[in-house]
Amino acid sequence: DTGVSQNPRHKITKRGQNVTFRCDPISEHNRLYWYRQTLGQGPEFLTYFQNEAQLEKSRLLSDRFSAERPKGSFSTLEIQRTEQGDSAMYLCATTGPQTNEKLFFGSGTQLSVL
Amino acid sequence: AQSVAQPEDQVNVAEGNPLTVKCTYSVSGNPYLFWYVQYPNRGLQFLLKYITGDNLVKGSYGFEAEFNKSQTSFHLKKPSALVSDSALYFCAVSADDKIIFGKGTRLHILP
Repeated sequence: DTGVSQNPRHKITKRGQNVTFRCDPISEHNRLYWYRQTLGQGPEFLTYFQNEAQLEKSRLLSDRFSAERPKGSFSTLEIQRTEQGDSAMYLCATTGPQTNEKLFFGSGTQLSVL
Repeated sequence: AQSVAQPEDQVNVAEGNPLTVKCTYSVSGNPYLFWYVQYPNRGLQFLLKYITGDNLVKGSYGFEAEFNKSQTSFHLKKPSALVSDSALYFCAVSADDKIIFGKGTRLHILP
């Protein structure tokens, strides 16, 4: 058990609907990352936070994607007007303040857009 | 921009033989390099990392990795493979707060 919790584990939605995922980090971790992983591929960086500040967002990420981390604790990732191409595993990972520290991953949220 | 490449989609090794999973990177400045493993239906787990110092880094489950600055490589190695090592392996690099992963190499250990 890595201590990073993601909910829900699975989400099935119809195209055009909005979905929201939640990540609860290990309590002392102030850096939080969101990744997307499709079958047979590596995790693709989406965005990351240091405490409540969103420091970088992937240029590949459309405006339909938004993430928040109020109060520097849990984080949410919202996808508006979902498309079939959004179907993927969405991973959350957290770590301490230094960039040389290892990431602790959650089990992910598997999104299927029908 | 930083990047990491894993040139092999799949590596097959007989049990008991040594294994190598290749990784090369491109980054400005000094890199922080990592290996992670993903077992079926489980989250990614940290194996080892290179920060500075000794070029040979030892990690979990008997794995080690060799940092080669001139070849910009960070290959994962194990002297004697186990069937239980079969999994998906990812190399990652961090140089500007953003941690980038390679596409992964599937390792098959044949009994």
